[in-house]
Amino acid sequence: DVKVTQSSRYLVKRTGEKVFLECVQDMDHENMFWYRQDPGLGLRLIYFSYDVKMKEKGDIPEGYSVSREKKERFSLILESASTNQTSMYLCASCLGDRGGTEAFFGQGTRLTVV
Amino acid sequence: AQTVTQSQPEMSVQEAETVTLSCTYDTSESDYYLFWYKQPPSRQMILVIRQEAYKQQNATENRFSVNFQKAAKSFSLKISDSQLGDAAMYFCAYRSAGSSGDKLTFGTGTRLAVRP
Repeated sequence: DVKVTQSSRYLVKRTGEKVFLECVQDMDHENMFWYRQDPGLGLRLIYFSYDVKMKEKGDIPEGYSVSREKKERFSLILESASTNQTSMYLCASCLGDRGGTEAFFGQGTRLTVV
Repeated sequence: AQTVTQSQPEMSVQEAETVTLSCTYDTSESDYYLFWYKQPPSRQMILVIRQEAYKQQNATENRFSVNFQKAAKSFSLKISDSQLGDAAMYFCAYRSAGSSGDKLTFGTGTRLAVRP
């Protein structure tokens, strides 16, 4: 059974804290993504990575950074958490074949910044 | 940049009836893929159906089918014989097959309620 696993389902952090959201996939996928999901806004791409140590900014990268040191792991970093980063964060992965293969998602991390 | 629009924030259907969810997209590319994803209350996003833009035939998966109109840039999802388990958020998504990369662009979603 293929899997994308996010390290936390719920997380509460204080304003100004450095926050790490971890995502691991076991499918040997080249591409990994971090999305933010907010009501009425759908899923918005924060960053994606198409190879180890490679990354590209998505539509809303401000306030975030990422790390991909190993193929199976993609980390999202909030350098200094703010209340407007309270949201649902979804990690996904897919093959890097420029094809229509399915993207697989983690169960999401609901982050609250207080 | 590609955009995906879902104009129906909420829809409701009677159990066993048919419902159609709308999606339009904007792109200058000729080769791409379109998807419908379902997100139930458990939050686990799962693929419902996929359409390849170069195929004229509409994709079908059991009770789920699409109406793909390439010239109109429209990609609607039809759910037949609706079941209580179909209640979820549904997202339309676009993925380029060309040089602009592999990223998935999503619409804002449609929340589907199924009335027993």
